[in-house]
Amino acid sequence: DAGITQSPRHKVTETGTPVTLRCHQTENHRYMYWYRQDPGHGLRLIHYSYGVKDTDKGEVSDGYSVSRSKTEDFLLTLESATSSQTSVYFCAIRPREAGVETQYFGPGTRLLVL
Amino acid sequence: GQSLEQPSEVTAVEGAIVQINCTYQTSGFYGLSWYQQHDGGAPTFLSYNALDGLEETGRFSSFLSRSDSYGYLLLQELQMKDSASYFCAREGTGGFKTIFGAGTRLFVKA
Repeated sequence: DAGITQSPRHKVTETGTPVTLRCHQTENHRYMYWYRQDPGHGLRLIHYSYGVKDTDKGEVSDGYSVSRSKTEDFLLTLESATSSQTSVYFCAIRPREAGVETQYFGPGTRLLVL
Repeated sequence: GQSLEQPSEVTAVEGAIVQINCTYQTSGFYGLSWYQQHDGGAPTFLSYNALDGLEETGRFSSFLSRSDSYGYLLLQELQMKDSASYFCAREGTGGFKTIFGAGTRLFVKA
């Protein structure tokens, strides 16, 4: 257990509504990531953060924004949810220990956009 | 698009050995990781290779050949609980972004 929690764990929302997912870590790691997972696509990086207020885009960032105002929290916002954003969202942290590029994942958030 | 290729499915018998291959694009390549994911669960880290050669962790080993842009995950003494999806992931040199393959679904039969 790498001390990562995600909330909510499940959410159903309607097209056009904003949605915010929260990732919380207890171990003060600098690097945090948001991925989405869809059948046949593996995990795709949405956005990541390399420090407080330092974020960058991943491969599927359109329609998503992030914020990191403190080390322990990384928020993902769907500005106006669409059905194509129905997915499982995983947060991850990267401890960067001993030269091994490991990521630890949170339990995931299942989002359904109707 | 995907810059890693791995088989979509592999089936093996309990107690056997199975190898899951992964090829990747070399541009900005830093290292290759492997993750396991059971249905309904989160991915969990298995192994990482930055240099050529074999890394062994119990029943699981991972191999990398940078000259061939190729790696594999070797699972020995297969158990039913090894039935899961396995993802190779390419670590890049810029910004610590990770690109995952689409995953290999492993079915272990009795």
